[in-house]
Amino acid sequence: SAVISQKPSRDICQRGTSLTIQCQVDSQVTMMFWYRQQPGQSLTLIATANQGSEATYESGFVIDKFPISRPNLTFSTLTVSNMSPEDSSIYLCSVGGMDTQYFGPGTRLTVL
Amino acid sequence: LAKTTQPISMDSYEGQEVNITCSHNNIATNDYITWYQQFPSQGPRFIIQGYKTKVTNEVASLFIPADRKSSTLSLPRVSLSDTAVYYCLVGSKAAGNKLTFGGGTRVLVKP
Repeated sequence: SAVISQKPSRDICQRGTSLTIQCQVDSQVTMMFWYRQQPGQSLTLIATANQGSEATYESGFVIDKFPISRPNLTFSTLTVSNMSPEDSSIYLCSVGGMDTQYFGPGTRLTVL
Repeated sequence: LAKTTQPISMDSYEGQEVNITCSHNNIATNDYITWYQQFPSQGPRFIIQGYKTKVTNEVASLFIPADRKSSTLSLPRVSLSDTAVYYCLVGSKAAGNKLTFGGGTRVLVKP
């Protein structure tokens, strides 16, 4: 199993600003995933972050809006840039394989 | 990845068995069926995974018919703490580790 922590747990931000979310894993992993969960909705994959290479973004998500860093095998950050109220969501990171994936507790973002 | 369809919500009572059926008509030969549970304000957590027939663990059972076009998650004797959203996912290990979540089933267990 893997233990994942995220910072911050929640934040309230003004539109037009940016927020960087941190994800820390207690073991080394090759791939980390970032998801978004809008209020009352299911999870949507934003991107896959591999250490030492550019993140791979899913359709509808772009690097300029959601830049991702992966400086080592236990850490990643997701930045939500130039925020608007539509970005209000829970952002979750995860690690693991198809067999079982472990999720962080999420970062609840509210954009005013 | 195969698309899944499951009921939006289900109500049950403590001590009852809850069965959630998921349809995945376009499941591929290499696809596995995986179920996750999500409590409010938490990330999803793995419950069970199967390929065919029946799988059982300490939490749930998963029934998969021969054609694999559907599957049923069975939660025995639910308690109030089983109130959560349950997601059915279908995918191939060969396609990578990313998960595609469907709408999920919101299960409410009443006293």
